[in-house]
Amino acid sequence: GNSVTQMEGPVTLSEEAFLTINCTYTATGYPSLFWYVQYPGEGLQLLLKATKADDKGSNKGFEATYRKETTSFHLEKGSVQVSDSAVYFCALRPSGGSYIPTFGRGTSLIVHP
Amino acid sequence: GAGVSQTPSNKVTEKGKYVELRCDPISGHTALYWYRQSLGQGPEFLIYFQGTGAADDSGLPNDRFFAVRPEGSVSTLKIQRTERGDSAVYLCASSTDWGGEQYFGPGTRLTVT
Repeated sequence: GNSVTQMEGPVTLSEEAFLTINCTYTATGYPSLFWYVQYPGEGLQLLLKATKADDKGSNKGFEATYRKETTSFHLEKGSVQVSDSAVYFCALRPSGGSYIPTFGRGTSLIVHP
Repeated sequence: GAGVSQTPSNKVTEKGKYVELRCDPISGHTALYWYRQSLGQGPEFLIYFQGTGAADDSGLPNDRFFAVRPEGSVSTLKIQRTERGDSAVYLCASSTDWGGEQYFGPGTRLTVT
């Protein structure tokens, strides 16, 4: 079956540090890949997505590249802010048949001033 | 415009009781999804509605769980004979149609004592 594996958190960084949150997946075919963010007390929000190999999704300074050869979709940001503190979820959605998404366990990011 | 809303935000109930959780999707969204998020885990799919009908209920864990969407808008997730293992955050999401971007509500935190 499909699965998503994320690095365990929490990830603790100082403001302006470089961020990487690793995500790898297992799926048949060519799934779409997503990063969601959940701020404290709020619902999940779509942060970025990529629908085919080598696509790069980007939003709010975050980026992730769909790497088919390594089945990865690592999230990066060059300079984090305190306001980026949240839980980040990697997810995949199958390309055919069922569109039911599979989520990773989430990675908590804490950014200190 | 208004996003997905869920009520109540918190629900504490005793083992064996019946609970109902409500979801108000974004107006005009035909697809509605329920997920369960246990502590330290990502959301797990429960059921999906397209209009009034449950198009896929393969994620419901057992027959104590049931969901309805009688008029194709508001949905209610019903849990009978609650067990402590049902304690989790129940998330609702909606999208314009099946396969479209999902917009999540803030969730209902259910605690079964």
